[in-house]
Amino acid sequence: ETGVTQTPRHLVMGMTNKKSLKCEQHLGHNAMYWYKQSAKKPLELMFVYNFKEQTENNSVPSRFSPECPNSSHLFLHLHTLQPEDSALYLCASSQVTSSTDTQYFGPGTRLTVL
Amino acid sequence: AQTVTQSQPEMSVQEAETVTLSCTYDTSESDYYLFWYKQPPSRQMILVIRQEAYKQQNATENRFSVNFQKAAKSFSLKISDSQLGDAAMYFCAYRIYNQGGKLIFGQGTELSVKP
Repeated sequence: ETGVTQTPRHLVMGMTNKKSLKCEQHLGHNAMYWYKQSAKKPLELMFVYNFKEQTENNSVPSRFSPECPNSSHLFLHLHTLQPEDSALYLCASSQVTSSTDTQYFGPGTRLTVL
Repeated sequence: AQTVTQSQPEMSVQEAETVTLSCTYDTSESDYYLFWYKQPPSRQMILVIRQEAYKQQNATENRFSVNFQKAAKSFSLKISDSQLGDAAMYFCAYRIYNQGGKLIFGQGTELSVKP
C-alpha cells in the first residue's frame, strides 16, 4: 500500500529473548522514525534518524536499541523486554528537506511479550 | 509543551451522511503543521489531509475538509458523504514548522459507519 515495509508483522517473545524489528522505505526519504502504539494511548515517538544520524531519543529504555545502517533501513533491537512493552510498533519515513515533511507509515509489527 | 486532544473516543455516522471529528491543540508556536491520519483496522496509517498554520484557507481533499480555527487552536475534520471504507481510527497530529520528525498525536477517534 505504501513504500514503507515492516517485518515481521507479528512477533511473540519471552522476556529473556532477543529479537529485531526491521523497517525498509522505498520512497527515497532521508529520515526514519520508530513509534510505539499502545491501546487507548496516543502514538509515542521513540526514535528519529535524519541522514542516518539519531536526532531524537524520547527517553526510551535501553532495552530498545535502534540501528540505522543507511537511509533506507531501520532496525529496532529488543532484549529483556517487559510485558508492558507489548504494543504495535510503527515505522515511518519522511523527506525532511521538503516544505511539508509528511511522514509515511509502515503497517507495523504487533509485538507480544509473554 | 505541545499537546493534542481528541475528545471523542468513538463516533458513528450513517452511510452517506456527514460527520465531524474534533481536535484541539496547545502550543505557543506560530508556525506549525496539522495533520489528520486514518488507520483502518489492521491496515497502514495513511495521511488524510494536511494544513499549514500560516494558511487561512481550510484544506480540502475530495470528501475530507478541515475547519481550522487558529485563535481557538481547533482543527476539526469533516467527512462528507461517508462511505463504509471511512471506518477507521482517525488521529490528529501536530508538528512545529521546520522541526522535522516531532509529530505529536492525539489519542484518536474510532469512527464507525453504519450501512
